[in-house]
Amino acid sequence: GESVGLHLPTLSVQEGDNSIINCAYSNSASDYFIWYKQESGKGPQFIIDIRSNMDKRQGQRVTVLLNKTVKHLSLQIAATQPGDSAVYFCAENSGGSNYKLTFGKGTLLTVNP
Amino acid sequence: GAVVSQHPSRVICKSGTSVKIECRSLDFQATTMFWYRQFPKQSLMLMATSNEGSKATYEQGVEKDKFLINHASLTLSTLTVTSAHPEDSSFYICSAAGTGNEKLLFGSGTQLSVL
Repeated sequence: GESVGLHLPTLSVQEGDNSIINCAYSNSASDYFIWYKQESGKGPQFIIDIRSNMDKRQGQRVTVLLNKTVKHLSLQIAATQPGDSAVYFCAENSGGSNYKLTFGKGTLLTVNP
Repeated sequence: GAVVSQHPSRVICKSGTSVKIECRSLDFQATTMFWYRQFPKQSLMLMATSNEGSKATYEQGVEKDKFLINHASLTLSTLTVTSAHPEDSSFYICSAAGTGNEKLLFGSGTQLSVL
């Protein structure tokens, strides 16, 4: 299940299950959103992005959903694998540029074998 | 392919000393680089935007005299933590954007520990 820790929400799933990670973004003017995966001691790794003129985008095993009405973003990971265990961050371009990003709090995903 | 190389990956220093972290874009020219700081179990916080050939733009609350940024070429930006103190201990990450519409790339981070 999902729980909120001291700073970092956590999500624990079984291998093979689908995972859904949620994010509430802050700026209604943001028009570009990205999901990143960060493994311990490493920099963020791009997973998938979406522009505000879309509400869904699919990649390999991942889907991003955007609900602008409630300023909500979600990342769905199909058939979650142990290698998916990491912290996942959503980011928005609240600075107006595609590159100046504001990151969300992050969610620690743990995949149990 | 295009990669952002960050060095060193880990540094331990004594309180009061200065530490320089390098961020290089490999196989692309980065007109803009960003520096982030990340405390344990927290998110990335943008510290400053580094533009080649001009002064960096610092986020509110970040001391520009303490965190010196130099972006002297299209492939290198450096962050110098001056007179480091234990509270500066953190994970520092850079990212770089090219001249086109490429994805933002991140370095592998530098873990700074100030004793």
